[in-house]
Amino acid sequence: DTGVSQNPRHKITKRGQNVTFRCDPISEHNRLYWYRQTLGQGPEFLTYFQNEAQLEKSRLLSDRFSAERPKGSFSTLEIQRTEQGDSAMYLCASSSPLAGHTGELFFGEGSRLTVL
Amino acid sequence: GQSLEQPSEVTAVEGAIVQINCTYQTSGFYGLSWYQQHDGGAPTFLSYNALDGLEETGRFSSFLSRSDSYGYLLLQELQMKDSASYFCAVRFYMTTDSWGKFQFGAGTQVVVTP
Repeated sequence: DTGVSQNPRHKITKRGQNVTFRCDPISEHNRLYWYRQTLGQGPEFLTYFQNEAQLEKSRLLSDRFSAERPKGSFSTLEIQRTEQGDSAMYLCASSSPLAGHTGELFFGEGSRLTVL
Repeated sequence: GQSLEQPSEVTAVEGAIVQINCTYQTSGFYGLSWYQQHDGGAPTFLSYNALDGLEETGRFSSFLSRSDSYGYLLLQELQMKDSASYFCAVRFYMTTDSWGKFQFGAGTQVVVTP
């Protein structure tokens, strides 16, 4: 399977705990995005990498959220001191340099977080 | 501000035609994309309009009018499997405020009935 891979697929945690999600993009894609989606809403932009550089981070994003893409391949999204409001589906997407001209992102199946 | 607005839900019968509108209040973007998402699934790319006009991909067509700040997705010959959420999205130009992120609308739930 050469699609975007995310794990874990499901995570249940207690409030105050830290969680980390991993995303493996399509191998030739240099751009990687993290989105958050809650029920009945569209994907909400969190952050965006081009290779290993984090180019943009949502201004609405709490400092408890951090993301890395150390070698320009896989990425991790960490949420510290989780709150119940963090419960959502966390989606990763990747794109080729041509995405600006094709409009196409490739999404993973997501990591569903439930904070008790 | 930068926002994309879509109707929340559309219901239609099998075989019908459905048009999902997307109006936006932004400028400076490469084009308008459309994605489909089934319950519990990942969003999947359907169509893209870089230029004004109609793009046709099988039963699905998409349209963009930058002068009217408006686009739509047309679903023809509806099938039960088309029941899903549909999102419009734009990728913004790189500016001093943005490095070219993709922003999505809230989505339209399409319900296809027998």
